[in-house]
Amino acid sequence: AQSVTQLDSHVSVSEGTPVLLRCNYSSSYSPSLFWYVQHPNKGLQLLLKYTSAATLVKGINGFEAEFKKSETSFHLTKPSAHMSDAAEYFCVVSDNYGQNFVFGPGTRLSVLP
Amino acid sequence: SAVISQKPSRDICQRGTSLTIQCQVDSQVTMMFWYRQQPGQSLTLIATANQGSEATYESGFVIDKFPISRPNLTFSTLTVSNMSPEDSSIYLCSGQRGMYNEQFFGPGTRLTVL
Repeated sequence: AQSVTQLDSHVSVSEGTPVLLRCNYSSSYSPSLFWYVQHPNKGLQLLLKYTSAATLVKGINGFEAEFKKSETSFHLTKPSAHMSDAAEYFCVVSDNYGQNFVFGPGTRLSVLP
Repeated sequence: SAVISQKPSRDICQRGTSLTIQCQVDSQVTMMFWYRQQPGQSLTLIATANQGSEATYESGFVIDKFPISRPNLTFSTLTVSNMSPEDSSIYLCSGQRGMYNEQFFGPGTRLTVL
């Protein structure tokens, strides 16, 4: 069965500094991986996805993630944090049929002025 | 992607009653799903809504408690039956076009049970 670990429940950065949100997954198959963002009282928005194409995936709002099979990781990065990036971030792995999604526990990102 | 709307956006209900949540997609999707997000928690899949047949429930969720309908490729409902305060959560529906694609989510229904 698939599972996702997000190593940090809360990350705090200063505006303009880099963001790193860590995600490790477990899957018996070549997984599809996703990062979603949830702003307070808002729905989930897809940031980016990996589906066995390029291992470095670029998403919206300057975010990117690198799929590393040897490390079973899919960490999310952004070179420079903006105040509007403050939100909850979820790493997601799909099952081997690409359907059922397993969500990680989430990482809350705070951006300090 | 597609746009998903949910009704109601929020509700406060009494213990023992039932609430039906509607999910409407603005274009056809292959798969539709229902999730629960308890306060401060991540999302947990309740079931896959299958068009024209019974929903497929995840472990810990049963049809008697969470009956689901999906009459066509753009609409689904989730009913939360015989509610208790433990059912207070955000309920989200999602759609997916084909396997291995992303899911896109509705805004959620915030349910409070007193």
